[in-house]
Amino acid sequence: NAGVMQNPRHLVRRRGQEARLRCSPMKGHSHVYWYRQLPEEGLKFMVYLQKENIIDESGMPKERFSAEFPKEGPSILRIQQVVRGDSAAYFCASSPMGRLYGYTFGSGTRLTVV
Amino acid sequence: GESVGLHLPTLSVQEGDNSIINCAYSNSASDYFIWYKQESGKGPQFIIDIRSNMDKRQGQRVTVLLNKTVKHLSLQIAATQPGDSAVYFCAEIEDGGSQGNLIFGKGTKLSVKP
Repeated sequence: NAGVMQNPRHLVRRRGQEARLRCSPMKGHSHVYWYRQLPEEGLKFMVYLQKENIIDESGMPKERFSAEFPKEGPSILRIQQVVRGDSAAYFCASSPMGRLYGYTFGSGTRLTVV
Repeated sequence: GESVGLHLPTLSVQEGDNSIINCAYSNSASDYFIWYKQESGKGPQFIIDIRSNMDKRQGQRVTVLLNKTVKHLSLQIAATQPGDSAVYFCAEIEDGGSQGNLIFGKGTKLSVKP
């Protein structure tokens, strides 16, 4: 079991470009959560998805950010027209049943906007 | 504002000593708490959890104490080792974790001196 896989590990984007972050949950996990971590800060919840459904997006910025978890393939966090303030580490977690049992984090994608 | 915070941002201990990391929370509806360890460049790693109907839980070399009266959580690490050096976060969730999104504190950086 490879665990929660996130790629890329590091991503550099110029202001105005788009960033796509991918998360493949653990085998058998159908619930995915995205968090953002600013330097020297704790993780902040962004969005909770099940296959083909957004369950809770209360932590997502209203503009430029979107997330999906298609029937096939990884979950994608998409940031359009990136700004310097989007620079952060983005972590994905997955769980098998939408509860905290088996809640496992990936190693994150570090986004740098230049 | 943050509903979970920490008393000390950094903690330095001698190898072999016991470490105590503290956490305060303000949401009295929180009923499940988790301690995570995050090493540099990695995602949070589960250490130990506790439900609000308990006041103490022990794991291997770690103990979590919960004081609901003063809304305080602590993590005790026995015989601290260099491999314990990391940032430690407490996280809380309310309503039995029905949605699974965690609220993290800012973290305490633990440094272990050999």
